[in-house]
Amino acid sequence: GENVEQHPSTLSVQEGDSAVIKCTYSDSASNYFPWYKQELGKRPQLIIDIRSNVGEKKDQRIAVTLNKTAKHFSLHITETQPEDSAVYFCAASTGFQKLVFGTGTRLLVSP
Amino acid sequence: DTEVTQTPKHLVMGMTNKKSLKCEQHMGHRAMYWYKQKAKKPPELMFVYSYEKLSINESVPSRFSPECPNSSLLNLHLHALQPEDSALYLCASSQWRKETQYFGPGTRLLVL
Repeated sequence: GENVEQHPSTLSVQEGDSAVIKCTYSDSASNYFPWYKQELGKRPQLIIDIRSNVGEKKDQRIAVTLNKTAKHFSLHITETQPEDSAVYFCAASTGFQKLVFGTGTRLLVSP
Repeated sequence: DTEVTQTPKHLVMGMTNKKSLKCEQHMGHRAMYWYKQKAKKPPELMFVYSYEKLSINESVPSRFSPECPNSSLLNLHLHALQPEDSALYLCASSQWRKETQYFGPGTRLLVL
């Protein structure tokens, strides 16, 4: 089955810096890659996603890149703010219903 | 309504109790999911319902029993749980044949 690895497990940045979180997946049939943000005690919230027919997608300060050949995808957050502090999960899916999550990255943005 | 709701928010139960978790969505989604999330871990898929039929069971112990009475409602019946079943139980939903899943706020379960 699919296996998703995520790095780093923790990431500390200063406000205004950029943050990059990387994930690799094992199943070349995976074709959908969402990123979720989970604040302490809250639900995972979808922040951006990308499908395998696209190499990059941007939404304001957030971007995701996908390298199908290398089977990895990355989340880029620019101009980080303290409210970006949370746990971020990547995930991969080979079909409509089964998401396999990475292990999570705890992002801390210091003012 | 663009949210998935879950009740109760918190639940404490003994190992001999029977309780149920409830999930509701009014977005017209025809796929609904139960996940278990332990502290500092990612969500783990438990069950998937598609058009009110169980389509995926990730080898979950029988002390967890899912039910989908209609297209908007998903229940998880709990019986004879163990302390290690203490976790955040998340419900999610998605449109049929669409991968994007939307999560509810979860029920935080403590088994004593």
